[in-house]
Amino acid sequence: SQKIEQNSEALNIQEGKTATLTCNYTNYSPAYLQWYRQDPGRGPVFLLLIRENEKEKRKERLKVTFDTTLKQSLFHITASQPADSATYLCVFGNGGGSYIPTFGRGTSLIVHP
Amino acid sequence: GAVVSQHPSRVICKSGTSVKIECRSLDFQATTMFWYRQFPKQSLMLMATSNEGSKATYEQGVEKDKFLINHASLTLSTLTVTSAHPEDSSFYICSAKNRDRGEKLFFGSGTQLSVL
Repeated sequence: SQKIEQNSEALNIQEGKTATLTCNYTNYSPAYLQWYRQDPGRGPVFLLLIRENEKEKRKERLKVTFDTTLKQSLFHITASQPADSATYLCVFGNGGGSYIPTFGRGTSLIVHP
Repeated sequence: GAVVSQHPSRVICKSGTSVKIECRSLDFQATTMFWYRQFPKQSLMLMATSNEGSKATYEQGVEKDKFLINHASLTLSTLTVTSAHPEDSSFYICSAKNRDRGEKLFFGSGTQLSVL
């Protein structure tokens, strides 16, 4: 069955460092991947989308890579800040008319001042 | 940006009662709505997908008679938890999609349901 995996343990880093979160998938060839941020008790908020023919996408301090050979996406936050502390979710889609978004469990990021 | 409003944000009810959760897209037409439930520190679990004007498609294991979904218009979808029991206590989130806005999902703020 299709499976999407994210680091289950929380990632603790020091303010100013780069945070790197991993999303791996199996038994699927997604046309694109999306990353969302979720704060406690809130709905997720869209951050970035990267397509299968794109290697890298950037937005301000955020960077996403997509390696279809490794079946992996990496999500980077540079110059991290305590306000970046949240749970980050990856989700893939097939790009077709029938779109059923499948979410990973999410990785909790904690940025220490 | 697109806004999805979800109400109520929190509800406490007695076992056996029904609870309705509303999800509205405020500034765009939601051609597709998704309903999720989420347990603490767990992923979003898709419950059902609904397209405007048609019946919802439920995921395996989700009781359609217990979780009634109505998507009567392009801006409103409702989830009714019928005869709620304590095991239905969870965080319920809706998300909306519009084909003109691509694959991006716009989420409501969620509803924390507690059944006593």
